[in-house]
Amino acid sequence: EIVMTQSPAALSLSPGERATLSCRASQSVNSYLAWYQQKPGQAPRLLIYDASTRATGIPARFSGGGSGTEFTLTISSLQSEDLAVYYCQQYNHWITFGQGTRLEIK
Amino acid sequence: EVQLVESGGGLVQPGGSLRLSCAASGFTFSNYWMHWVRQAPGKGLVWISRIDSDGRTTAYVDSVKGRFTISRDNARNSLYLQMNSLRAEDTAMYYCGRAIPTARGVSDHWGQGALVTVSS
Repeated sequence: EIVMTQSPAALSLSPGERATLSCRASQSVNSYLAWYQQKPGQAPRLLIYDASTRATGIPARFSGGGSGTEFTLTISSLQSEDLAVYYCQQYNHWITFGQGTRLEIK
Repeated sequence: EVQLVESGGGLVQPGGSLRLSCAASGFTFSNYWMHWVRQAPGKGLVWISRIDSDGRTTAYVDSVKGRFTISRDNARNSLYLQMNSLRAEDTAMYYCGRAIPTARGVSDHWGQGALVTVSS
């Protein structure tokens, strides 16, 4: 099983700041990496797939990068509605998720 | 508008069975692979199962193999998850997801979830 490790576990930033979330795979997943946002009480929402492709309707302030084992999700200018838990997911070999990064807006 | 609506959740005793349904609308259901993902209370997301567009091939996470069965009825635009021999650790919110055709491991639309509680 490919283990996905996200860091940090939690992040607290102010509106307008830049957030950088990391995701590491226990072995290469090539670019088969997705990012999801889950707001409290809601279903997950797809943000990024194929490591850097924004899903339909996702604002340009969300961007993804990386390949192999190291990936990042960057939110360029935080807004209050970005309060959520963010999950990475690999789909190179079966499907596994990271444990999530909780993003708090100060 | 793409919509996925889960139903069939509830309280069941350990060892019992439950069948979840996912009603799809707003897209050509028979063209898409589908997934089930679950989330235990306060925990992260765990992929459970997937089925291809015509129901011929399926896959499961090891923890549910032999107990859960995924299926679909393309005529009824519906996805199912038959859950047998349920355990306390199966307690979770269960989400169905529609796969992206070019990235079949990724779900671009999700239902609101069905809560399954396994307890005596």
